[in-house]
Amino acid sequence: DAKTTQPTSMDCAEGRAANLPCNHSTISGNEYVYWYRQIHSQGPQYIIHGLKNNETNEMASLIITEDRKSSTLILPHATLRDTAVYYCIVRVALGGWRIKAAGNKLTFGGGTRVLVKP
Amino acid sequence: GAGVSQTPSNKVTEKGKYVELRCDPISGHTALYWYRQSLGQGPEFLIYFQGTGAADDSGLPNDRFFAVRPEGSVSTLKIQRTERGDSAVYLCASSLGLNTEAFFGQGTRLTVV
Repeated sequence: DAKTTQPTSMDCAEGRAANLPCNHSTISGNEYVYWYRQIHSQGPQYIIHGLKNNETNEMASLIITEDRKSSTLILPHATLRDTAVYYCIVRVALGGWRIKAAGNKLTFGGGTRVLVKP
Repeated sequence: GAGVSQTPSNKVTEKGKYVELRCDPISGHTALYWYRQSLGQGPEFLIYFQGTGAADDSGLPNDRFFAVRPEGSVSTLKIQRTERGDSAVYLCASSLGLNTEAFFGQGTRLTVV
């Protein structure tokens, strides 16, 4: 799976949008971008994923550049409960025989430690 | 239960002892994963099961680590002759299929003294 690069940490103000960047310049055409977050003392939580189109769900929006070499996770109205470590992960889209080879195996990097301040 | 359940939540053991960590996945989830997380780092893949069989155990650090899932549901991670370096949070996750999102448990914090 392609390697990702994220800032180590960032602060954002409560109620404002939080924009979390991720670089994945070596991403392949069959690789998805996934975002997970981990709140202190909890297991990672799935947020969103996408291949090439922008995606939105109840938690966040994912903006992927046209060349797919970078993406941004947007938390539209950050709350104090959004304080967590956010992981950007690139994972191959599985099909056929490769399903058994890779499954849902995720390669986590260091993530971005996001602190939402009042 | 509604989510992935891991027991115990905390385990303290002496160096050289044997430990077992249990994971109850979400009902109906065929895929189950074990990860290990050291302080200040992201989770590190250990092993995953598709049904009863281990489909990929490439992340197990050495032969002191072993995991089973005999009936395709509950899984147990077993660590023999524990070492202080095994101290970490051990996370379990499950997913409905291999291409669907993984749901993680709260983890078991293992401390080897």
